[in-house]
Amino acid sequence: GENVEQHPSTLSVQEGDSAVIKCTYSDSASNYFPWYKQELGKGPQLIIDIRSNVGEKKDQRIAVTLNKTAKHFSLHITETQPEDSAVYFCAASIRSGGSNYKLTFGKGTLLTVNP
Amino acid sequence: GAGVSQSPSNKVTEKGKDVELRCDPISGHTALYWYRQSLGQGLEFLIYFQGNSAPDKSGLPSDRFSAERTGGSVSTLTIQRTQQEDSAVYLCASQPRLAGYNEQFFGPGTRLTVL
Repeated sequence: GENVEQHPSTLSVQEGDSAVIKCTYSDSASNYFPWYKQELGKGPQLIIDIRSNVGEKKDQRIAVTLNKTAKHFSLHITETQPEDSAVYFCAASIRSGGSNYKLTFGKGTLLTVNP
Repeated sequence: GAGVSQSPSNKVTEKGKDVELRCDPISGHTALYWYRQSLGQGLEFLIYFQGNSAPDKSGLPSDRFSAERTGGSVSTLTIQRTQQEDSAVYLCASQPRLAGYNEQFFGPGTRLTVL
């Protein structure tokens, strides 16, 4: 089955700096890669996703890059703010039957943005 | 609108007891997932329901775990004869059945503690 590795497990940055979280996956058939943000006491929330037919996607201060050959993808957060502090999870999934399911998650990165 | 709700938010039980965890998905969402999140770990897939199709139970860790979804809406995850290693946060997510739409909407989770 799919295996997703995520690094680093913890990341501390100063407000305004950039943060980068990296993930690798094992199954070359995976074609959907979402990133979820989980704040304390809440369920994960999708912040950005990318499909295997594109190499990069941006949404304001957040961007995700995908390298299918190397089977890795990364989350980039620029101009970090204290409210970006949370646990971030990457995931991979294989499209099946018209809708993706059974996301395989990384173990998460605790991001702390220091004011 | 209302999001995914789960109850109870916290459950403390004694080893050997049975527990039931409830998930109310977003109205109209046809897909429903259960995940387990252990301390410091990522989200572990447990089971997936899609409409009237047979559920994908491939992630259930043992036959002590079962889930049902009544009327295509509310779902209940049951753990029989609980063990201490069952202690975790159990997350439910729902998803609409729209072609190419992948986001899963998570509830806040139920924190289960087995003493």
